[in-house]
Amino acid sequence: DGGITQSPKYLFRKEGQNVTLSCEQNLNHDAMYWYRQDPGQGLRLIYYSQIVNDFQKGDIAEGYSVSREKKESFPLTVTSAQKNPTAFYLCASSIDPGTSGGRDTQYFGPGTRLTVL
Amino acid sequence: GDSVTQMEGPVTLSEEAFLTINCTYTATGYPSLFWYVQYPGEGLQLLLKATKADDKGSNKGFEATYRKETTSFHLEKGSVQVSDSAVYFCALTGTGRRALTFGSGTRLQVQP
Repeated sequence: DGGITQSPKYLFRKEGQNVTLSCEQNLNHDAMYWYRQDPGQGLRLIYYSQIVNDFQKGDIAEGYSVSREKKESFPLTVTSAQKNPTAFYLCASSIDPGTSGGRDTQYFGPGTRLTVL
Repeated sequence: GDSVTQMEGPVTLSEEAFLTINCTYTATGYPSLFWYVQYPGEGLQLLLKATKADDKGSNKGFEATYRKETTSFHLEKGSVQVSDSAVYFCALTGTGRRALTFGSGTRLQVQP
């Protein structure tokens, strides 16, 4: 079955540590995205990538980093510079973000819940 | 910039009641419009979408019509079930940045 996988489902981090969240898709989608969700709020864009080896900052990129070395993978690193990293992190992908007509439809993974101890 | 406004929740209904969740948007050009649903502890599932004016998206008894003249995309269902209890997000992809812009979400609680 095609889809998006995120791991781990739950992640605990001590203050001052960097952690990396995994996102893999086998949908052959060009574009991938990372969003952050805080309780009772909508999703905010952290980073997105429209093609391999290219990515752009979203609205809340400070304290986060990404890489896109393979089409299937878009890992997110939460660095110690992120002051309030406890949140639910969602990864998404779409066929082609540069067009409309449905090819920009984003599909989401199950999420990773990060808690800072 | 682009923005989405949806009605605040929670919305509490009895089973078989009619549901409307209002959503309005601000965007340049011709955005694509989406409704996503989130069940507790899970990611977002695409519920329905519309990619041009006057399109009606539908799925699982839910419907929404892309109204460019009123910049709205209200979600409706004729008869809700307890299993519809979830958080519903209205969202758009604009003509500039292609990432989604979300509303704040509306929690629906359906009582038996």
